[in-house]
Amino acid sequence: GQQLNQSPQSMFIQEGEDVSMNCTSSSIFNTWLWYKQDPGEGPVLLIALYKAGELTSNGRLTAQFGITRKDSFLNISASIPSDVGIYFCAGQVRRGSRLTFGEGTQLTVNP
Amino acid sequence: DGGITQSPKYLFRKEGQNVTLSCEQNLNHDAMYWYRQDPGQGLRLIYYSQIVNDFQKGDIAEGYSVSREKKESFPLTVTSAQKNPTAFYLCASTDPRLAGPYNEQFFGPGTRLTVL
Repeated sequence: GQQLNQSPQSMFIQEGEDVSMNCTSSSIFNTWLWYKQDPGEGPVLLIALYKAGELTSNGRLTAQFGITRKDSFLNISASIPSDVGIYFCAGQVRRGSRLTFGEGTQLTVNP
Repeated sequence: DGGITQSPKYLFRKEGQNVTLSCEQNLNHDAMYWYRQDPGQGLRLIYYSQIVNDFQKGDIAEGYSVSREKKESFPLTVTSAQKNPTAFYLCASTDPRLAGPYNEQFFGPGTRLTVL
C-alpha cells in the first residue's frame, strides 16, 4: 500500500524555536490530516484540511494543503516541551475512504 | 465517557502462540480499523470493518485475523503465521454517516505486543 513521504524523520530543537515538517505524495488526496502521538498513546487529530491551497491555524499550529493536492506542511511556532511526540500526516482520497499515513516526524524539544 | 479502549496495554507471548488483542468502542461508530506501528514506518493498515459482520484486508493482513460480531467490538488475532509480530498495535474508529468534509478517526491507547 502507498505511504506518504514525510520529512524530516526526526528533529531536535530548543524550546521557543519554530518547527516545520512536510508530507508529499505521488497521488492526489482530497483531505489532509495532521495527528500528534504522545509517547505510548494513540494519535490525536490536530488539524484537518480539505480545500486545496487552504491555510489553517490552531493555536501555535499552522498547516497548509498544497495547491496540487499532493503535499501538505505543518508549522509549530514557539515550541514548548509538551510539543514532544510523533507527528503524522495522513491523506484521504474521499470522505469515508481509508487513511494513508506518513512515516512520522519525531520531535524532541529541549527546555 | 465515550471512547476506545484497548486491553491490555502490554502483552507478552511466546513465539508460536496465537494472541488476541481487544478493541472496544462506545462511540456508536460503524467503521473500525487496526493499525500496526513500527519505529520509523508510520501506521500500516492491517484490517478494517465498515459495518458489523463485514471486514476487509488492509495492506499487511498476512498472519492476522479479525471478527466483527458486534458493532462495539473488533478483536485482532495475531497468529503464529505472522513472522514478526512484535509491534505497537492501534485500533481506531470513525462514523462515516456524520456530516462534514472529512471523517475523523479516533484512536485507542494502543497495545504493545512483545513476542519472546
